[in-house]
Amino acid sequence: SQKIEQNSEALNIQEGKTATLTCNYTNYSPAYLQWYRQDPGRGPVFLLLIRENEKEKRKERLKVTFDTTLKQSLFHITASQPADSATYLCALDQASGTYKYIFGTGTRLKVLA
Amino acid sequence: NAGVTQTPKFQVLKTGQSMTLQCAQDMNHEYMSWYRQDPGMGLRLIHYSVGAGITDQGEVPNGYNVSRSTTEDFPLRLLSAAPSQTSVYFCASSARGLGGELFFGEGSRLTVL
Repeated sequence: SQKIEQNSEALNIQEGKTATLTCNYTNYSPAYLQWYRQDPGRGPVFLLLIRENEKEKRKERLKVTFDTTLKQSLFHITASQPADSATYLCALDQASGTYKYIFGTGTRLKVLA
Repeated sequence: NAGVTQTPKFQVLKTGQSMTLQCAQDMNHEYMSWYRQDPGMGLRLIHYSVGAGITDQGEVPNGYNVSRSTTEDFPLRLLSAAPSQTSVYFCASSARGLGGELFFGEGSRLTVL
């Protein structure tokens, strides 16, 4: 079956360290993969997009990698801050050219001061 | 810009009642969609639309109805509410083209008794 897996357990890290979140998928061939941040009681907010022909994308302290052979994306937050504490969701298009976005269940990140 | 606006924010229904969740966007986006978010299940796509007059089903369409008479509005109708429809509902929109960054509303929390 098709599915997206993110670590369902919360990730706790110390302030200043790099947080690494994982998104694995099976039986999809997405054209691109997106990462979103969601705070409690709020809607998800878009962070980064990476296309299938891109290996890595950066935006300020954020970095995303995309390995279509492993069917995996890694999301890194460098020099993490308590304000980075949130749930992070990955999403991909169910099939190239469609607008059926499928989301993972998210990983809750807590950055400890 | 208001972005994506959802109403109501909270609603309590009795089993068998019907209601409509409203979603409006002011970004002239062609694509609009409805998701439900449940603990441990992540965001699941209910219905989506790629333009006025065009709608299609997502992963979990049963018990829900949509229409898209204008570019701005995409209401979600619950025909006969069931306790299994207790959830947080998010509306999202996106401009056409590669990438398709989703803009989410703040959510509507629905409880069916």
